[in-house]
Amino acid sequence: NAGVMQNPRHLVRRRGQEARLRCSPMKGHSHVYWYRQLPEEGLKFMVYLQKENIIDESGMPKERFSAEFPKEGPSILRIQQVVRGDSAAYFCASSPDSPNTGELFFGEGSRLTVL
Amino acid sequence: SQQGEEDPQALSIQEGENATMNCSYKTSINNLQWYRQNSGRGLVHLILIRSNEREKHSGRLRVTLDTSKKSSSLLITASRAADTASYFCATLLGSARQLTFGSGTQLTVLP
Repeated sequence: NAGVMQNPRHLVRRRGQEARLRCSPMKGHSHVYWYRQLPEEGLKFMVYLQKENIIDESGMPKERFSAEFPKEGPSILRIQQVVRGDSAAYFCASSPDSPNTGELFFGEGSRLTVL
Repeated sequence: SQQGEEDPQALSIQEGENATMNCSYKTSINNLQWYRQNSGRGLVHLILIRSNEREKHSGRLRVTLDTSKKSSSLLITASRAADTASYFCATLLGSARQLTFGSGTQLTVLP
């Protein structure tokens, strides 16, 4: 049973370009979460999605960031017109049920570097 | 501000010693979880303790929860060099639908 798969593992973009990060949850998991981690810091919640629905996007910046989890295919975190401050590790996690019931399973992360 | 805050920020011990990390939080919780992160890797779940539990064990790990003090501790007994990692507590608030992580304790176990 494969774990949470994230790709790419490393992504380099120049300022103004777009970054697309993909996350395939564990088999049977319908809840997906995106977190951002700056160097030497903890994880900051960004967005919580279920299939075709955004449940909680309270941690998403108001501009340039969007997320989706379509009926078919992986969840996508999209960052438009990237700036240097977007450089971070972006982690996806999944769970089979709502957060009340248990742990999250994390991917290895996508490390974005903005030049 | 972070819901969970770990203490200390960094801890360095010798192999075989015990390591204790603490986590404080601010509001009522459903459950509290501890995760481990090796350098450059994703987070791995260690243990979950529910708000109506006071203590839980898993192998060399012991977690306590004191809801009156809004604090939790993670004890790793007989530490090994392979325990070197960052340890994070995460809390699920009463009405929240997402886990909130602290800033972590960096544990170094010297061989």
